[in-house]
Amino acid sequence: DADVTQTPRNRITKTGKRIMLECSQTKGHDRMYWYRQDPGLGLQLIYYSFDVKDINKGEISDGYSVSRQAQAKFSLSLESAIPNQTALYFCATSGPGGNTQYFGPGTRLTVL
Amino acid sequence: GENVEQHPSTLSVQEGDSAVIKCTYSDSASNYFPWYKQELGKGPQLIIDIRSNVGEKKDQRIAVTLNKTAKHFSLHITETQPEDSAVYFCAASKGGGADGLTFGKGTHLIIQP
Repeated sequence: DADVTQTPRNRITKTGKRIMLECSQTKGHDRMYWYRQDPGLGLQLIYYSFDVKDINKGEISDGYSVSRQAQAKFSLSLESAIPNQTALYFCATSGPGGNTQYFGPGTRLTVL
Repeated sequence: GENVEQHPSTLSVQEGDSAVIKCTYSDSASNYFPWYKQELGKGPQLIIDIRSNVGEKKDQRIAVTLNKTAKHFSLHITETQPEDSAVYFCAASKGGGADGLTFGKGTHLIIQP
């Protein structure tokens, strides 16, 4: 969905490096989410945010941190990347009450 | 926490035939069950969803059924077309999706011409 953009789309980094993935949305939604997708697995929730002051851990938050800089921006950071964080990362947004989540195109991250 | 199992992992059907994908969930408090379609190189896109107060929902060639007692729900696609080829994910949530979704592992649907 073009209303949810993610940068970069692809990133290769080395073990121990700090990396930030960014997500922006123009849908005016308050709720934003970060998911991780591994081959053959579904998506797993990393963090979610209901507004700039409300950040919540998901099921696999260890090794990750997030920042909600504004209603429209939600960033995911890996403080010290490790190879098993190699995955496809998706940002999503939803309007009041949750319901439909709109996903960005994803960021493919490779940690060597 | 919630656990969602999805079967089969791969499904191949002839064009024009029907396809059925099944999911089970573990948390009886879950009340929202969406289905997402993911095409190669793209993010998942919602195709249909159902809430726990409804047993069945249809949208053209797509339908979803929910059995709360058995804690399972299914996606039915009729008159399959080549553009239906994709990976399909089921998901479940307690809060209507507001606090995130728990996904199944996905089904790769292949439509044979």
